[in-house]
Amino acid sequence: QVQLEQSGAEVKKPGASVKVSCKASGYAFTDYYVHWVRQAPGQGPEWVGWTNPNSGGTEYAQKFQGRVTLTRDTSISTAYMELNKLGSDDTAWYFCARTGLPGHDVFDLWGQGTMVTVSS
Amino acid sequence: DIQMTQSPSSLSASVGDRVTITCRASRAISYSLAWYQQKPGKAPTLLLYAASRLQTGIPSRFSGSGSGSDYALTITSLQPEDFATYYCQQYYNRFRTFGQGTKLEIK
Repeated sequence: QVQLEQSGAEVKKPGASVKVSCKASGYAFTDYYVHWVRQAPGQGPEWVGWTNPNSGGTEYAQKFQGRVTLTRDTSISTAYMELNKLGSDDTAWYFCARTGLPGHDVFDLWGQGTMVTVSS
Repeated sequence: DIQMTQSPSSLSASVGDRVTITCRASRAISYSLAWYQQKPGKAPTLLLYAASRLQTGIPSRFSGSGSGSDYALTITSLQPEDFATYYCQQYYNRFRTFGQGTKLEIK
């Protein structure tokens, strides 16, 4: 079936980096942008950025510029988010999501989420 | 960035009730608004987009309205599975932003 499958939970120390993967299945990976959205405990979602799986192009929220890198590997239909210089306020659920409705930049398919905990 | 403000932040209702959640953008967003439902420990699920278009598979008791900077999500005849947190999201600006959420609880 159509789904996005994310990698498992991570625990990192402050200052470290984390890389989360998102594997697409059931649809043509290169046809739709993959976005990353994070959600701190008890908070609303926060958009991080997108990658175009076809071209490799990216765009990042200003808040994360210089600290996040979005990549993809089309051979295995997988998108990646790497976040550097982690701080305690980066503790959150990280979701990948697809924008799959033509003309509407909304998230119609989500991964199950990856919990990233930053703690010394 | 466009700020999205939802109200109320929480709401108690009973099965069978009709409820409305509002979302105000800091500027006009020309119907570029989506609503999501999120249950504990799960990813959000898309309910509506373009302010009032129902996503495939979503029950018709969910509806959306509004224009300019003011939008609303209405749920008629609440079902037990509708008790969750709801978020609005604007996509008028390429730096997409979400509301802070409305938690719908059973009275």
